[in-house]
Amino acid sequence: DAGITQSPRYKITETGRQVTLMCHQTWSHSYMFWYRQDLGHGLRLIYYSAAADITDKGEVPDGYVVSRSKTENFPLTLESATRSQTSVYFCASSAGPVYGYTFGSGTRLTVV
Amino acid sequence: DAKTTQPTSMDCAEGRAANLPCNHSTISGNEYVYWYRQIHSQGPQYIIHGLKNNETNEMASLIITEDRKSSTLILPHATLRDTAVYYCIVRPPEYGNKLVFGAGTILRVKS
Repeated sequence: DAGITQSPRYKITETGRQVTLMCHQTWSHSYMFWYRQDLGHGLRLIYYSAAADITDKGEVPDGYVVSRSKTENFPLTLESATRSQTSVYFCASSAGPVYGYTFGSGTRLTVV
Repeated sequence: DAKTTQPTSMDCAEGRAANLPCNHSTISGNEYVYWYRQIHSQGPQYIIHGLKNNETNEMASLIITEDRKSSTLILPHATLRDTAVYYCIVRPPEYGNKLVFGAGTILRVKS
């Protein structure tokens, strides 16, 4: 199916563990993004990518790592999860600077 | 990015037009106006965007004032499913394609 998919939908992990959130889009959009959403903070940009092998930091990149070896995939890794990273994570893609974003359904991550 | 100001919340009767205002008095000449919405627990959804001219699509209309300092998103016949947080964002196209979301307007459509 065409679209943007995130996995897993829900994840519980322990403090200090590494966890990877997956994002896959089928449109060959150049741009991809990771946001987190917390009560009281709204949506905040973590990382974004303009093309394969090109990534850049957003507002809150600390504690996260991204890679983009293929245009369609943009995984987000928490190298050593902390409780403050408990959040809902949204991935998005866009065809270019003028176009709108399409968001995934989100991953709800709980760090215990 | 130009700063935007939106009302915190608005109510609208089902079947009536919902008019959501956005003030962006410091907007620059090359900055686009984007509207997104987020229905509870879902990912944000793109609605519409424009630069100078009014725009219409199957979801909504966007009215931008001649001086571009404000805009209005119009949902012509609001339904209960339009209850959501609506975000107005202004951004130049060369801004790394990043969108910065503010607090938005909570629209409650009531029967």
